[in-house]
Amino acid sequence: GDSVTQMEGPVTLSEEAFLTINCTYTATGYPSLFWYVQYPGEGLQLLLKATKADDKGSNKGFEATYRKETTSFHLEKGSVQVSDSAVYFCALKMEIQGAQKLVFGQGTRLTINP
Amino acid sequence: DGGITQSPKYLFRKEGQNVTLSCEQNLNHDAMYWYRQDPGQGLRLIYYSQIVNDFQKGDIAEGYSVSREKKESFPLTVTSAQKNPTAFYLCASSKVGQINQPQHFGDGTRLSIL
Repeated sequence: GDSVTQMEGPVTLSEEAFLTINCTYTATGYPSLFWYVQYPGEGLQLLLKATKADDKGSNKGFEATYRKETTSFHLEKGSVQVSDSAVYFCALKMEIQGAQKLVFGQGTRLTINP
Repeated sequence: DGGITQSPKYLFRKEGQNVTLSCEQNLNHDAMYWYRQDPGQGLRLIYYSQIVNDFQKGDIAEGYSVSREKKESFPLTVTSAQKNPTAFYLCASSKVGQINQPQHFGDGTRLSIL
């Protein structure tokens, strides 16, 4: 079945470091791909998305490129801030049996130290 | 502003008791979803609904029930049959028919056992 595998956390970095969180997926069709962020005690917020191969999603300095050849959607940011500390979820959206469903990775907890 | 409202933020359940979690949206979305999140894990789909008066089981529906009498509302009941209900519950909504559209999430309800 469809699945998403994320880099295991937790990830701890210093402020201004470069961030990569790996995400790979398995899907039978052509999914849309998303990154969501969850701050402590809150729900999920959409961070960025890409809907077809070679699309690049970007927001708040974060970027991810839809790579069909490697079935990947890695999240990157050039210089992280303390406020980026959160849990990040990679997800794919597929139509399954007439319904559109999101399939999530297990999440990666990111902590940025000043 | 449009959004999704979940209430209450914290909920406690006694043994043998049913409890109902509220989810209301004013985004005019047709589809609504309930997820369960356990510590250190991704989200698992409990139930979803694509239209009023219709809903389908997700991956972990046992011990839960839902109703969809209005487009704006999708309450989740955690029944006494759910033996391990302690978790963070998230409600989401989305447009139907557009696979590139994201799901929007509420801020969640944290359920604990007394």
